[in-house]
Amino acid sequence: DQQVKQNSPSLSVQEGRISILNCDYTNSMFDYFLWYKKYPAEGPTFLISISSIKDKNEDGRFTVFLNKSAKHLSLHIVPSQPGDSAVYFCAASIINAGNNRKLIWGLGTSLAVNP
Amino acid sequence: DAGVIQSPRHEVTEMGQEVTLRCKPISGHNSLFWYRQTMMRGLELLIYFNNNVPIDDSGMPEDRFSAKMPNASFSTLKIQPSEPRDSAVYFCASSPRDSLYNEQFFGPGTRLTVL
Repeated sequence: DQQVKQNSPSLSVQEGRISILNCDYTNSMFDYFLWYKKYPAEGPTFLISISSIKDKNEDGRFTVFLNKSAKHLSLHIVPSQPGDSAVYFCAASIINAGNNRKLIWGLGTSLAVNP
Repeated sequence: DAGVIQSPRHEVTEMGQEVTLRCKPISGHNSLFWYRQTMMRGLELLIYFNNNVPIDDSGMPEDRFSAKMPNASFSTLKIQPSEPRDSAVYFCASSPRDSLYNEQFFGPGTRLTVL
């Protein structure tokens, strides 16, 4: 049972346009959300995060929006560049019953930015 | 500043053989995670350690898998005996003690192929 869902396995965007990657979750106890980017043959790298008490966080070309009532978040990349082509993972952070924090991951969305 | 180090980067072995994957976390990080990535299931958390102690091994697929962390700077993931369905990329990640939302730093991964 996927608690974090990225329903689009892939997305193709023209260079200079906006890329929007979506993520849905089911557990209202998640208190932070993170986006990671992964290039082929490399491990995922942290991109941006948002606390559940915020609705927006911006870092340069990257903005994450959180809609708690809809249990939905999205990552906007503006403007998109060919170097942004990668797999993007949405992850949600939660403290479990043992008071340890863990991340729950989506399956990822492969973004292709075309020149 | 060295990141998470994993070895080997690639491993090809025959069914039934023992496989040992190694990980050196970032110095000072107190949490260590082992993940498996496949096309069908994405990133799956296998096990994680806090201060060298296994906290949650519910993701370990079966008894053929075992993981150890004898000290703060080294961990192993062992598969014995290996099977073709174990073929995947295995990632190790570490997280600092003061990470508010469990930001994880990933190694480059070990691509395992079991023939």
